[in-house]
Amino acid sequence: SAVISQKPSRDICQRGTSLTIQCQVDSQVTMMFWYRQQPGQSLTLIATANQGSEATYESGFVIDKFPISRPNLTFSTLTVSNMSPEDSSIYLCSVGQGANGDTQYFGPGTRLTVL
Amino acid sequence: AQSVSQHNHHVILSEAASLELGCNYSYGGTVNLFWYVQYPGQHLQLLLKYFSGDPLVKGIKGFEAEFIKSKFSFNLRKPSVQWSDTAEYFCAVNAVNTDKLIFGTGTRLQVFP
Repeated sequence: SAVISQKPSRDICQRGTSLTIQCQVDSQVTMMFWYRQQPGQSLTLIATANQGSEATYESGFVIDKFPISRPNLTFSTLTVSNMSPEDSSIYLCSVGQGANGDTQYFGPGTRLTVL
Repeated sequence: AQSVSQHNHHVILSEAASLELGCNYSYGGTVNLFWYVQYPGQHLQLLLKYFSGDPLVKGIKGFEAEFIKSKFSFNLRKPSVQWSDTAEYFCAVNAVNTDKLIFGTGTRLQVFP
């Protein structure tokens, strides 16, 4: 499976600021995804990062709050904008691999705390 | 809408005990099924998956899972757990030919020596 890295691994931010999280893969992948794991909860898909087009967002997530870039097949960023304490979560990127990209492998995550 | 239920939120076992973690999903169509594991301080790893064929699938570290279509279940099993199996286990489902992976709430397993 691909090796996935994320930066930063953790951060503590002030309310009202924004943070950009980077996801780097060691091979070209078509499908990249961003998830959120809130404290004590499971993973929730935020959006699918599409190369060369806008991301596809899940219900409850909007581009203004979580802008995503996908400039090439090995890299994506997720920005958490105008943060509030409710945005404190672990943010994970994943890539789809396999015959139809239907097996997802996850990065190590970014632990975000908003004060 | 699809959903995944993991009824065991926290399981505590002694080493060498047998393990079975329940996973049920709701979706009427064909699905792919996954178990992921997150060891303390580590990232989410794929434990095993089922796409089609033999409903009994084997994964890493001696884990296996059985897909029972009539029960919409995909329970994870291990005959004899070890202390190193202490982790959080997530069941996940996606409908075939879709990208969206739906996760269960996770089961925290603690194994004591």
